[in-house]
Amino acid sequence: DAGITQSPRHKVTETGTPVTLRCHQTENHRYMYWYRQDPGHGLRLIHYSYGVKDTDKGEVSDGYSVSRSKTEDFLLTLESATSSQTSVYFCAISATPGQAIHMNTEAFFGQGTRLTVV
Amino acid sequence: ELKVEQNPLFLSMQEGKNYTIYCNYSTTSDRLYWYRQDPGKSLESLFVLLSNGAVKQEGRLMASLDTKARLSTLHITAAVHDLSATYFCAVDRAQKLVFGQGTRLTINP
Repeated sequence: DAGITQSPRHKVTETGTPVTLRCHQTENHRYMYWYRQDPGHGLRLIHYSYGVKDTDKGEVSDGYSVSRSKTEDFLLTLESATSSQTSVYFCAISATPGQAIHMNTEAFFGQGTRLTVV
Repeated sequence: ELKVEQNPLFLSMQEGKNYTIYCNYSTTSDRLYWYRQDPGKSLESLFVLLSNGAVKQEGRLMASLDTKARLSTLHITAAVHDLSATYFCAVDRAQKLVFGQGTRLTINP
C-alpha cells in the first residue's frame, strides 16, 4: 500500500466549528489531493497541491481551505463546518519522484475520514 | 468542463455471467483509470489506460479505452461473488482525476 495516512479516521463535530483533517504521505509524491465522496456523486475534488505551498481549488472548494507546508503533509480545513459537509473525505497522492508529470496521474488513496457535522 | 458518466449505476448479476460497465467522458483525454471500492474501504487501483486502443486484463476483468469515442469499458467475464464492489472510472484533466458516479456491482450466487 502507498504510504498515506489520514487522521482522524472518524470525527463528529458541531455546526459552526472549525475542523482540520490531516493527510500524511511517506512516498515523497509531488501531487496531493483532497476529495469528498457522497452517494450518487462519485468523488469530487475539493483542493489539490502540486508542491509545497502550491495549491489550487477543485470543483467543490467553497467552505474549505488547505495548506501544505511540507511535502509530506496536506491539511484540509473546514472553516465553519456545516451539515452539507458531512461526507467521507479521501486524500490521494500521485506522480512518483522523477517521473514526467505528463506520463501518469494514477492516484493512490488514503483510508478516508468519515466526518459527521451535527 | 469535463464530465464523466458511468452506466449502469447499479448492476445485479448472477455468478458465471458476463457483463460490461461503460464509462463515457465529454472532453479529450488519453488517460483513464479504473478503481474498485469495497464498502467502507478506500479505492484500489485496477487499471491504468494511457493510450487509444489500450487494453488491460487482470483475472476476470478487462478494461479498454477508445479515445476517439471517449469511451472506456470494463468487462467482467464469468462473474464471481468476490467481484461484488463499486467500480469507478476516472479521467485525467491537467493532472487531476475527474470521477464517474460509480457502478455498484452485486454478484449473486
